Amino acid sequence: KQEVTQIPAALSVPEGENLVLNCSFTDSAIYNLQWFRQDPGKGLTSLLLIQSSQREQTSGRLNASLDKSSGRSTLYIAASQPGDSATYLCAVEEGTNAGKSTFGDGTTLTVKP
Amino acid sequence: GAVVSQHPSWVICKSGTSVKIECRSLDFQATTMFWYRQFPKQSLMLMATSNEGSKATYEQGVEKDKFLINHASLTLSTLTVTSAHPEDSSFYICSARASGQETQYFGPGTRLLVL
Repeated sequence: KQEVTQIPAALSVPEGENLVLNCSFTDSAIYNLQWFRQDPGKGLTSLLLIQSSQREQTSGRLNASLDKSSGRSTLYIAASQPGDSATYLCAVEEGTNAGKSTFGDGTTLTVKP
Repeated sequence: GAVVSQHPSWVICKSGTSVKIECRSLDFQATTMFWYRQFPKQSLMLMATSNEGSKATYEQGVEKDKFLINHASLTLSTLTVTSAHPEDSSFYICSARASGQETQYFGPGTRLLVL
């Protein structure tokens, strides 16, 4: 059974700092890994999707890496802003045709002005 | 890009009533849709897998008679919470997978509050 762990559970940084969020998974037979943002009381916003054959994806100030063999992914946020404050979730999609995704518990990020 | 919508985004109901949540793939056909549930301060958990034209497959611990899933077309799946109780209050999110593809696209979610 796939297990997804996100560390740290919470993170508070001053504005302007670069930061890294971590995601680890136990079964490396994945199809893809996706990073989401969830604001309080709102739904999920997809940030970056990395296919199993890829090593990283970039979008603006965000960079996500994937090391499938070691079961790890990182989300790098450059020059953090207060608007980045949210909960960040990673989800791993199974490598079979079942297509099920397993989510981590998330990292709650607070960026202080 | 592929877009998945959910309706309603918020619903408040009285205990004992039934609530229907719709999940639509707006610009693609989805043979498979997934329903997830997220309780406060917990991660999303898969409830069931919905395949167009066939019965849904429920995860262990999810009551199929309480959470009715219908996937009658390639663009619509519905989740009906029957006789809702306060403990069913949660965030319900669906995802859809396009025919012939593997990637899932997630809807924005529906928040249910049962009084």
